[in-house]
Amino acid sequence: GAVVSQHPSWVICKSGTSVKIECRSLDFQATTMFWYRQFPKQSLMLMATSNEGSKATYEQGVEKDKFLINHASLTLSTLTVTSAHPEDSSFYICSARDREAAGEQYFGPGTRLTVT
Amino acid sequence: KQEVTQIPAALSVPEGENLVLNCSFTDSAIYNLQWFRQDPGKGLTSLLLIQSSQREQTSGRLNASLDKSSGRSTLYIAASQPGDSATYLCAVPTDSWGKFQFGAGTQVVVTP
Repeated sequence: GAVVSQHPSWVICKSGTSVKIECRSLDFQATTMFWYRQFPKQSLMLMATSNEGSKATYEQGVEKDKFLINHASLTLSTLTVTSAHPEDSSFYICSARDREAAGEQYFGPGTRLTVT
Repeated sequence: KQEVTQIPAALSVPEGENLVLNCSFTDSAIYNLQWFRQDPGKGLTSLLLIQSSQREQTSGRLNASLDKSSGRSTLYIAASQPGDSATYLCAVPTDSWGKFQFGAGTQVVVTP
């Protein structure tokens, strides 16, 4: 089946630094990718929609200048957490929508971010 | 705004029992509904996708029903096994692009 990868799988960074997370669709093309955040014991919350070749659309309450999203190709979207703070520590999961297979979505394995 | 609720929040059963997980949604105009499994610290595994025109979907020991008019879906897992222990999430797309609204999940523990 279709595979979505995320890199890194986990990362620890110091407060004030920036961290980039990659989301790749390995065997299909994705014009749309989604970024979710999941805090411990909570469900996934949509952060933004990433469309290839255009600006991302952010959900209400998500700071677009803090969470930079770039979808430069049909197989890669990146999320950069800028000036990270401890409250940004979370599990970040991306999903990719297969533009061929009736738009079915596939989820990545997630990236655990810890900001110290 | 679409809201998705899952009951119960947690469930513990002995091995061999059938599991019944409930999901309700407030806006019946859905494209589809999807059930996922999430193991601790891991991503999501898609279990079943039910299109809005379908009443149920089956895969092995899993069966999911959908009643759009009442805003409900139920996931049945037959003859549970310890390996079924995980959190089960239901999700509904909120637009044609596939932005998901997730429920809070049901944490399942199957004891040997």
